[in-house]
Amino acid sequence: KQEVTQIPAALSVPEGENLVLNCSFTDSAIYNLQWFRQDPGKGLTSLLLIQSSQREQTSGRLNASLDKSSGRSTLYIAASQPGDSATYLCAVRPVYGGSQGNLIFGKGTKLSVKP
Amino acid sequence: DAGVIQSPRHEVTEMGQEVTLRCKPISGHNSLFWYRQTMMRGLELLIYFNNNVPIDDSGMPEDRFSAKMPNASFSTLKIQPSEPRDSAVYFCASSFDTGTYEQYFGPGTRLTVT
Repeated sequence: KQEVTQIPAALSVPEGENLVLNCSFTDSAIYNLQWFRQDPGKGLTSLLLIQSSQREQTSGRLNASLDKSSGRSTLYIAASQPGDSATYLCAVRPVYGGSQGNLIFGKGTKLSVKP
Repeated sequence: DAGVIQSPRHEVTEMGQEVTLRCKPISGHNSLFWYRQTMMRGLELLIYFNNNVPIDDSGMPEDRFSAKMPNASFSTLKIQPSEPRDSAVYFCASSFDTGTYEQYFGPGTRLTVT
């Protein structure tokens, strides 16, 4: 059964720091991995989608990497800003099993960027 | 495109009442997903449809929950009767298919059952 883990559960950094959020998954048979952002009381905003054949994706100050063989992904945020404060969720789309097609989510990392 | 649309955004109801949540997927998407988010369990899939057909409903908690997709542009999630433990945020998402495409989420419906 696919399981997704995100560490740390919470992170607080001063503004301007570069930071890395970690995501691990137990089964490497995935179609893709998606990083989301969720603001308090809001829905999910898709940040980056990495297909299983890709190693990384970049969007602005965000860079996500994928090492499928080791079951790991990282989300790198450069020059963090207070507006980056949110919960970041990692999700994989498994190829096999009863959950084929849907996303399996981690519990998220709650990021706080202090001015 | 307006994105995935969900209604209502907030619902407060009493235990035992019927609750119906609604979702309009992004036009052209042929897969639709219902998720539930709680503090304890995080985000979990309840059911997903492909081409209006339910593919996997193993996440539906019990018979009190039912979902329908009568056409490509509309889906409902119904809880009857509702219980306090059903209080959660319910998200609808859609994508082009169940494989490699990105899923887009609606704003969610926050359900409170008293």
